[in-house]
Amino acid sequence: QQQVKQSPQSLIVQKGGISIINCAYENTAFDYFPWYQQFPGKGPALLIAIRPDVSEKKEGRFTISFNKSAKQFSLHIMDSQPGDSATYFCAHTGKLIFGQGTTLQVKP
Amino acid sequence: ETGVTQTPRHLVMGMTNKKSLKCEQHLGHNAMYWYKQSAKKPLELMFVYSLEERVENNSVPSRFSPECPNSSHLFLHLHTLQPEDSALYLCASSRESISAGTDTQYFGPGTRLTVL
Repeated sequence: QQQVKQSPQSLIVQKGGISIINCAYENTAFDYFPWYQQFPGKGPALLIAIRPDVSEKKEGRFTISFNKSAKQFSLHIMDSQPGDSATYFCAHTGKLIFGQGTTLQVKP
Repeated sequence: ETGVTQTPRHLVMGMTNKKSLKCEQHLGHNAMYWYKQSAKKPLELMFVYSLEERVENNSVPSRFSPECPNSSHLFLHLHTLQPEDSALYLCASSRESISAGTDTQYFGPGTRLTVL
């Protein structure tokens, strides 16, 4: 079964720092890669998504970078805030496959 | 009420019990999904319904039985579960069946299930 491999499993960042989460995927014919954010006691919610006809997409402090040749995409959170502390999932929606999740803790 | 709602939010059941999880979406979507979320593991797709027809069943044990009476409601019937079935069960919906292209899934808050 195709997988989406996400790393790191957990991440601790100081307030104001940059959080970086990576995902690698296998060959596929479907190209749509979202990131979901999940707070404790809540379901995942779409944060930002990218199609590989663009190499980068930015929404506020959140940026997705896409490297099609390396089959990787990453989430960058600039100026990380304690309110960003959550679990982040990458996904490949064409195959309904999610990464293992990254628990981010932003320290004040 | 908007979005995707799930009831109950918490459920404790014995291995011989029969219970049902309910999901309702108020978004006018045509596809609905059940996922299992266990600690330290990726979300596991269980079932997909598109226009009330089951389009995917990911080798889920028969002790889990889904039902989709209409495009707004989805149930997961549980019977003779095992302790390893304890997890967060998430319902999601999307405008169209997700494998059709680029569509966003909207998740409910989940039901935290504990099997004793």
